[in-house]
Amino acid sequence: GENVEQHPSTLSVQEGDSAVIKCTYSDSASNYFPWYKQELGKGPQLIIDIRSNVGEKKDQRIAVTLNKTAKHFSLHITETQPEDSAVYFCAAKDSSYKLIFGSGTRLLVRP
Amino acid sequence: NAGVTQTPKFQVLKTGQSMTLQCAQDMNHNSMYWYRQDPGMGLRLIYYSASEGTTDKGEVPNGYNVSRLNKREFSLRLESAAPSQTSVYFCASSEAGLTTNEKLFFGSGTQLSVL
Repeated sequence: GENVEQHPSTLSVQEGDSAVIKCTYSDSASNYFPWYKQELGKGPQLIIDIRSNVGEKKDQRIAVTLNKTAKHFSLHITETQPEDSAVYFCAAKDSSYKLIFGSGTRLLVRP
Repeated sequence: NAGVTQTPKFQVLKTGQSMTLQCAQDMNHNSMYWYRQDPGMGLRLIYYSASEGTTDKGEVPNGYNVSRLNKREFSLRLESAAPSQTSVYFCASSEAGLTTNEKLFFGSGTQLSVL
């Protein structure tokens, strides 16, 4: 089955700097890669997703890149703000259509 | 719009006790899911229901049972709780089903401790 590894587990950046979170997956048939943000005490919320026929997708300060050959994808947050502080999860939909999540990255944006 | 509502928010059980976690969604979604979240392990799928009347096992189904009571409600039951089931449980729903690539809507979670 699919295995998703996520790095780093914690990330601390200065406000205004960029943050990058990386994930790798094992199932070459996976074709859907969403990113979820979880704020303290709340459930995860989808912030961006990418499909396997696209290499990059942007939404304001957030972008996701996908390298199917290397089987990795990354979340890029530019001009970070304190409200970006949260836990971020990557995920990959495997060949049995289940969404497999990474272990999460705790992002802290220092004012 | 309430979205996905889970009850209770917190629960403490003794080993061997049973309980049911309740989940309801008001978005007329077809699919519903139960995940557990443990430190350093992300979210793992316990069971899912692709449509009313159907349920299937996820990654970690042992020790759990589910019921899709109707289109709105999907409950998770622990028949004999064990300390290994201490976790945060999330219910989620999606409009269509597993074969589509679409957004999951999550509830706010149930923090369960088994002593």
